[in-house]
Amino acid sequence: EVQLAESGGGSVQPGGSLRLSCVVSGFTFSRYWMNWVRQVPGKRPVWISHINTDGSGTSYADSVRGRFTISRDNARSTLYLEMYSLRVEDTAVYYCARGAGGYGDNWLFDYWGQGVPVTVSS
Amino acid sequence: SYEVTQPLSVSVALGETATITCGGNNIGRKNVHWYQQKPGQAPKLVIYRDTLRPSEIPERFSGSNSGNRATLTISSAQGADDADYFCQLWDGTVVFGGGTKLTVL
Repeated sequence: EVQLAESGGGSVQPGGSLRLSCVVSGFTFSRYWMNWVRQVPGKRPVWISHINTDGSGTSYADSVRGRFTISRDNARSTLYLEMYSLRVEDTAVYYCARGAGGYGDNWLFDYWGQGVPVTVSS
Repeated sequence: SYEVTQPLSVSVALGETATITCGGNNIGRKNVHWYQQKPGQAPKLVIYRDTLRPSEIPERFSGSNSGNRATLTISSAQGADDADYFCQLWDGTVVFGGGTKLTVL
């Protein structure tokens, strides 16, 4: 069974930092692109970052570029998101999501974690 | 940036057919995917590449895409289908629609 489990969320003041982790199981992590998607409750999901299979390629949404860093440890089947200079508008539920390369399109997401809340507030 | 438009809400009687649209300029030229999201849960892929259905998704879910509109159709809607539905595509970046709340009456 494919499982993704995020952790590391919480409350932080503006300007602070957090590190999210996503531990996966049930599939060969190193074969899949991975993504972070965030969502304010009641709003649409917003993709924020992707990383390719070996970590050599990454991309970011404009809203987080230069402040967030995605990485992965294939030996530990773990995806990370380092978040710096956090802003109030970064408040959301953060999901890790697997790129569905098996469906012929890495830019759709076939499995998601349960999400972890991040609150940025003074 | 590419924009897609979804109706805020759709209502359907139990057992009837629900249609949820996703509008965009020449969206028929793009691969459109659909996700179902229930309260407190992560989005779940229900249709990918316009018309394809993951194996665990019931056959009553189907999709189409042509011209300026992609459509998610739920035949014989059930109470379990009551949820938010988001369309999503790639246009140089990942784009999600604003979501449609489906109410099964």
